[in-house]
Amino acid sequence: GAVVSQHPSWVICKSGTSVKIECRSLDFQATTMFWYRQFPKQSLMLMATSNEGSKATYEQGVEKDKFLINHASLTLSTLTVTSAHPEDSSFYICSLGGQTQYFGPGTRLLVL
Amino acid sequence: TQLLKQSPQFLSIQEGENLTVYCNSSSVFSSLQWYRQEPGEGPVLLVTVVTGGEVKKLKRLTFQFGDARKDSSLHITAAQTGDTGLYLCAGVGPFGDDKIIFGKGTRLHILP
Repeated sequence: GAVVSQHPSWVICKSGTSVKIECRSLDFQATTMFWYRQFPKQSLMLMATSNEGSKATYEQGVEKDKFLINHASLTLSTLTVTSAHPEDSSFYICSLGGQTQYFGPGTRLLVL
Repeated sequence: TQLLKQSPQFLSIQEGENLTVYCNSSSVFSSLQWYRQEPGEGPVLLVTVVTGGEVKKLKRLTFQFGDARKDSSLHITAAQTGDTGLYLCAGVGPFGDDKIIFGKGTRLHILP
């Protein structure tokens, strides 16, 4: 299966700052990647679909201007949380693949 | 509206006992997947079931896809402490695409 990495694995930032999270496919070219958010003791909620070379598709209720997604190449998608607030603290996970999705190890974000 | 309902949400049983986790929906999926997630990590795919009525076995784990492709179950025989974790069911393609919709998960704790 595909190997997916995320960077950073964890980040702490001050309220109001922006944080960029990278999702890399190490051995698979992905035209589509998915970004999920998971709050403590809850399931994964799909935030958006990242499309290589075009705009991301956001799920209902997810602010596209707050969660900026850039899928610049077939192996890299980035999620930028702009003007982060404490309520954005969560575990962010990316995935890629077709019928079988391969998940990254996740990035834990804590906004103080 | 929750597309996939998992039950139970929490389960704590003694080592050696059997258990079944259920995943139900009113929607039809092209396939259904079961994942296991450890704390602080991304989910890891256990199995994908595609055909209505399909049964797959993975050592002591038995997965079944409902005939109508709307529900699934995971049965664990003679549970071991190493089975402790969060089990997630996920429906693929409820809207005719590759999106994966996750259930809320079942947190399983096996007591020694």
